[in-house]
Amino acid sequence: DVKVTQSSRYLVKRTGEKVFLECVQDMDHENMFWYRQDPGLGLRLIYFSYDVKMKEKGDIPEGYSVSREKKERFSLILESASTNQTSMYLCASSSTNREQYFGPGTRLTVT
Amino acid sequence: AQTVTQSQPEMSVQEAETVTLSCTYDTSESDYYLFWYKQPPSRQMILVIRQEAYKQQNATENRFSVNFQKAAKSFSLKISDSQLGDAAMYFCAQAKRSNYQLIWGAGTKLIIKP
Repeated sequence: DVKVTQSSRYLVKRTGEKVFLECVQDMDHENMFWYRQDPGLGLRLIYFSYDVKMKEKGDIPEGYSVSREKKERFSLILESASTNQTSMYLCASSSTNREQYFGPGTRLTVT
Repeated sequence: AQTVTQSQPEMSVQEAETVTLSCTYDTSESDYYLFWYKQPPSRQMILVIRQEAYKQQNATENRFSVNFQKAAKSFSLKISDSQLGDAAMYFCAQAKRSNYQLIWGAGTKLIIKP
């Protein structure tokens, strides 16, 4: 059974903190994605990665960075968390058929 | 730019009846993929059905089927014999064959009335 896991389901951080969200997939997929999900806005792509150490900006990369040191792991970093980054963060992976498999999501609250 | 539009923010249907969710998209590509995903409340996003644009035949998965109208750039999802477990947000998405990114619609919330 395919699996994408995320390090936390719920996270509360203070403004200005550095935040790490981890995502791990066990399907040997080349592609991994980080999305932000807000009501009425659907899913917005933050960053994606086609391969180890490769990354591409998505639609809303400002305030975020990513790291992919191993094929199975893709990390999202909020360098200095702000209240407008309070959101649901979804990680996904895919192979060549474009079908994306999602993790359970991390609901981040920045106070 | 590619866009995906779901014009129904919310739909409701009586249990056991049929409901159709609308999706339109805009692309200049001739070859691409289309998807419907389901996100139940507080649960994981999962794939419901996929369609490859070069295939004429509409995809079907059990009670879920699509009406793919390539010329009209329309990709609606029909759910037959609706069940309480079908209550969820439904997202339509499109991917170019040349690209691994998905372009997402804003979603439709489906309510099932018992």
